[in-house]
Amino acid sequence: GENVEQHPSTLSVQEGDSAVIKCTYSDSASNYFPWYKQELGKRPQLIIDIRSNVGEKKDQRIAVTLNKTAKHFSLHITETQPEDSAVYFCAASMGNQFYFGTGTSLTVIP
Amino acid sequence: GAGVSQSPSNKVTEKGKDVELRCDPISGHTALYWYRQRLGQGLEFLIYFQGNSAPDKSGLPSDRFSAERTGESVSTLTIQRTQQEDSAVYLCASSFSGGLRGEQYFGPGTRLTVT
Repeated sequence: GENVEQHPSTLSVQEGDSAVIKCTYSDSASNYFPWYKQELGKRPQLIIDIRSNVGEKKDQRIAVTLNKTAKHFSLHITETQPEDSAVYFCAASMGNQFYFGTGTSLTVIP
Repeated sequence: GAGVSQSPSNKVTEKGKDVELRCDPISGHTALYWYRQRLGQGLEFLIYFQGNSAPDKSGLPSDRFSAERTGESVSTLTIQRTQQEDSAVYLCASSFSGGLRGEQYFGPGTRLTVT
C-alpha cells in the first residue's frame, strides 16, 4: 500500500519568513495530493491540492509543488503570519483511498 | 449550508463496553470516510463508503470495528468491547464524488476516551 512520510514534524519560523513542508509517497499510482490545515481543537480543512498532471499550483501565499519522478511534493507558505500556526497534513490519494502524513506543527513567531 | 456533523462530540466509556459514533455528511455527498486521530498523530484511514457500500474495509484495525451507512446519508461507526488503545478522536469526512474529484469536508470529530 501507499506510505506517506512528512517532514519536519515541527517547524518554527519568524513572522514574514517562508515555511516549507515536504512529503514523499511510495506508490506511483497516487494522483491527487491535498494539503490540510488543522488548528488546535478544530477539524482539518483543505487549503490547497494538486493533481498529478500539474507540477505546481499557487493560491496567494500558499503554493504546492509536485515531483512525480522523485515522488515528493511540498507545501510552501510565504510571508507567514501568526494565524498560519497550525498542524499541516499532506495526503496522497489514488482512487478513493487517502493516505495522510503524520503532520507538521508550524509555529509562526510574531 | 450545513457542514458535516458528528455525535456525540465527546464520549467516555469503560473498557469492554460498545460505542456507536454517528456521522451526518453534507447532503448530496456520495462519499463518506472515517478516520482515527490519536493524540498528536496523523489521520489513520479506517473505512470509505461510496453510497451505502464500503468497497474498502482494509483500514479497520480489528474485527471489533464495524461501520454502516444507510440512505446514502448517515453513517455509524461501532466499536465493540472497547480497549484503552481505542481512545482517539474519530473524524468523519464527506465528499461529493470521492477520489480524484472529491474535496473532503471534515466533521468536528468525536473524542472517545476509554477508561
